Amino acid sequence: NAGVTQTPKFQVLKTGQSMTLQCAQDMNHEYMSWYRQDPGMGLRLIHYSVGAGITDQGEVPNGYNVSRSTTEDFPLRLLSAAPSQTSVYFCASSTGYSYYGYTFGSGTRLTVV
Amino acid sequence: EDKVVQSPLSLVVHEGDTVTLNCSYEVTNFRSLLWYKQEKKAPTFLFMLTSSGIEKKSGRLSSILDKKELFSILNITATQTGDSAVYLCAVTKDGGATNKLIFGTGTLLAVQP
Repeated sequence: NAGVTQTPKFQVLKTGQSMTLQCAQDMNHEYMSWYRQDPGMGLRLIHYSVGAGITDQGEVPNGYNVSRSTTEDFPLRLLSAAPSQTSVYFCASSTGYSYYGYTFGSGTRLTVV
Repeated sequence: EDKVVQSPLSLVVHEGDTVTLNCSYEVTNFRSLLWYKQEKKAPTFLFMLTSSGIEKKSGRLSSILDKKELFSILNITATQTGDSAVYLCAVTKDGGATNKLIFGTGTLLAVQP
């Protein structure tokens, strides 16, 4: 099993550019989410989804969009990149009531210049 | 506002030492507390705790939850250099999206030979 696959692993954007971070899981997990990790801030929830067609905002949603058209995929779109969005982004998935926590992807390191 | 606080923020020990990492929380409708280990990439799951006073153990690592005093500890005995990592504590809540994780900022552990 591939688990949770994130692409790309690294990305440099110019301010104002848009891009999509890809996330796919092959475990048939209902629940998927996006976190960003900044130094001294821990992981903060951006958006999450409890199933195909259902998404909701997390703690820091501004500047990001998501959609969940299939169970497997949960892309994160940056609409107009800003330097404040420089961060490491993690996608994670789990079953509805997981006793083993989340499975995290390997992360995308994004730099906005 | 929901809050998860970890201490210390960082510590340096020598191989063979025993360490105790702390996680306190203030959340409404607490459901579970999870510990993760992060080594330069994705967090990996260690423990999930839902009941007070029941120790979870895996090799040299163990953890316990106190729901009355709202904290958990993670113990690592006979530390090895491979234990060097950031240890993350996260909490989930009942109601709504029960798999949303609220993270602390993490404890950076460095184990010196």
